[in-house]
Amino acid sequence: GESVGLHLPTLSVQEGDNSIINCAYSNSASDYFIWYKQESGKGPQFIIDIRSNMDKRQGQRVTVLLNKTVKHLSLQIAATQPGDSAVYFCAENLSGSARQLTFGSGTQLTVLP
Amino acid sequence: GAVVSQHPSWVICKSGTSVKIECRSLDFQATTMFWYRQFPKQSLMLMATSNEGSKATYEQGVEKDKFLINHASLTLSTLTVTSAHPEDSSFYICSARDWGGNRETQYFGPGTRLLVL
Repeated sequence: GESVGLHLPTLSVQEGDNSIINCAYSNSASDYFIWYKQESGKGPQFIIDIRSNMDKRQGQRVTVLLNKTVKHLSLQIAATQPGDSAVYFCAENLSGSARQLTFGSGTQLTVLP
Repeated sequence: GAVVSQHPSWVICKSGTSVKIECRSLDFQATTMFWYRQFPKQSLMLMATSNEGSKATYEQGVEKDKFLINHASLTLSTLTVTSAHPEDSSFYICSARDWGGNRETQYFGPGTRLLVL
């Protein structure tokens, strides 16, 4: 394969604490953003999304914040649980007919007991 | 949420053989599906966009004759890795786009792990 031994950014948090995962996106023309959770050996699972006309959106235990000025996206997980351990990817959707997603590099979240 | 399935979940094959991977949207119709590959510790890389009833659109650097895509119905897209070689070993993931209300979200399948010996 083409693996060159890249290491994902990692974040370790204590169970019960809040987690904040950050993502910088690349294209100012992106108008839709999604956070996905990927557990080992599985496909990405949709967590929460946000459109560019919003700067905050809340779900169950999760909040996404969007700062278009600095092209920054964050995912906040409240009261982190062991089951939250996974790789988290942000994805941006460029406006246009293809509506393809471009994924960030991902962050490995480890929840410590 | 919408459910996307993939089959098989894993496959081991000999070098030179072809492998077909199926992607199905189970409870919605998908005019567009996407195929990704993912190497260990890396992000998802889009390979191609599969359009129902028309030719797939391939990303730069992806050989269309190597990775054949067929999207014959609104719930099924297939990816065939032809004449597979060890460097094709990877985790292949499909997604399907579900136009829900005013939003569009891609839902992903569980992935297919391919090992070419």
